Amino acid sequence: ELKVEQNPLFLSMQEGKNYTIYCNYSTTSDRLYWYRQDPGKSLESLFVLLSNGAVKQEGRLMASLDTKARLSTLHITAAVHDLSATYFCAAPPGGGSNYKLTFGKGTLLTVNP
Amino acid sequence: ETGVTQSPTHLIKTRGQQVTLRCSSQSGHNTVSWYQQALGQGPQFIFQYYREEENGRGNFPPRFSGLQFPNYSSELNVNALELDDSALYLCASSSGSEGRSPLHFGNGTRLTVT
Repeated sequence: ELKVEQNPLFLSMQEGKNYTIYCNYSTTSDRLYWYRQDPGKSLESLFVLLSNGAVKQEGRLMASLDTKARLSTLHITAAVHDLSATYFCAAPPGGGSNYKLTFGKGTLLTVNP
Repeated sequence: ETGVTQSPTHLIKTRGQQVTLRCSSQSGHNTVSWYQQALGQGPQFIFQYYREEENGRGNFPPRFSGLQFPNYSSELNVNALELDDSALYLCASSSGSEGRSPLHFGNGTRLTVT
């Protein structure tokens, strides 16, 4: 059974600092998704990583995927308050061609002035 | 382009009752997935429909059932509600079923079972 672990689960940062959220998954998977959720809101898609070595960037966020290490990272550069949210990574089972995603527990990010 | 819409937004039911939640997919999307998100947890996959057929199911009992209609809208039905069914139920749609494009989530239905 696929397990997805994120760390840290809670992250308090100062504005302007850099940090990385880690997402490990337990079995082979060829895709990795990152989502953002604001309190009381739904999930917003950030990145879809489709292959080993994939790197995607949007604004102050950059995500990467290493399928051999079963690891994805979400790097935050020069954090701003607007990035405060819960971030989830999710992966499908290996060889799966549907959206049976297993989500991590989420990382609650708080960016302080 | 309209996004994924779900109804109702909030619902309160009593243990043992039945509930139906509804979802309209984003225009052009033929795949719909349902997830359950308990408070403080990540979403858990319930099932997926592609062109009106179920093509993936998570570890949920048979009292969780669904339908997808020809216009790709969908329903989630839960029978014999239990207290632990209290959660945010999220519907998500995508174009194609192979997972290469992002899932677009609706705003969810908050179900409370008393």
